[in-house]
Amino acid sequence: SQQGEEDPQALSIQEGENATMNCSYKTSINNLQWYRQNSGRGLVHLILIRSNEREKHSGRLRVTLDTSKKSSSLLITASRAADTASYFCATDDNQGGKLIFGQGTELSVKP
Amino acid sequence: DAGVTQSPTHLIKTRGQQVTLRCSPISGHKSVSWYQQVLGQGPQFIFQYYEKEERGRGNFPDRFSARQFPNYSSELNVNALLLGDSALYLCASSHYDVDTEAFFGQGTRLTVV
Repeated sequence: SQQGEEDPQALSIQEGENATMNCSYKTSINNLQWYRQNSGRGLVHLILIRSNEREKHSGRLRVTLDTSKKSSSLLITASRAADTASYFCATDDNQGGKLIFGQGTELSVKP
Repeated sequence: DAGVTQSPTHLIKTRGQQVTLRCSPISGHKSVSWYQQVLGQGPQFIFQYYEKEERGRGNFPDRFSARQFPNYSSELNVNALLLGDSALYLCASSHYDVDTEAFFGQGTRLTVV
């Protein structure tokens, strides 16, 4: 079963705008990871945030985690057409090393 | 350093046949996990192996099996293929078995006809 749910399911923006995607989950976690997937290919690891962290940055990416609300957000600043992809959150729910994925947000960045 | 490599990239099989998918983890990584992703969904966990031992199994039938070799590479086997097994099969490599970054390969696209 899916642990996380991404919101929105689809997002369309213009180049240069910021894109925000949200993820909610149900159980306590060790960490939460964000991935990008282009056209049904492999997943590219973007960032990992641990349960004791509240915010993390990597280049144009900013991830927040609110364990009290069981939610996370991924912000992509100054988006580019190359950011067009599906974005997934995945949680490590402290039951072994398996990751539980949401259904993803499909981001379209128009030039 | 090479990332996670999977082979083959694409595969077409007939219902009832058997298939073997292969994965080589990142050098130094001891954990390999397998995921199934059907169109429009997020990946679903199938197996995890760490140090050649099965550490976890998802909600998949016994037709699915896997193993990990001494060099930490892994194979996923699916017997008696069904049309519903058509999916992208992803392999993930990580250094540890829990609370660790997982890096994915490009996947094997399996089509069952």
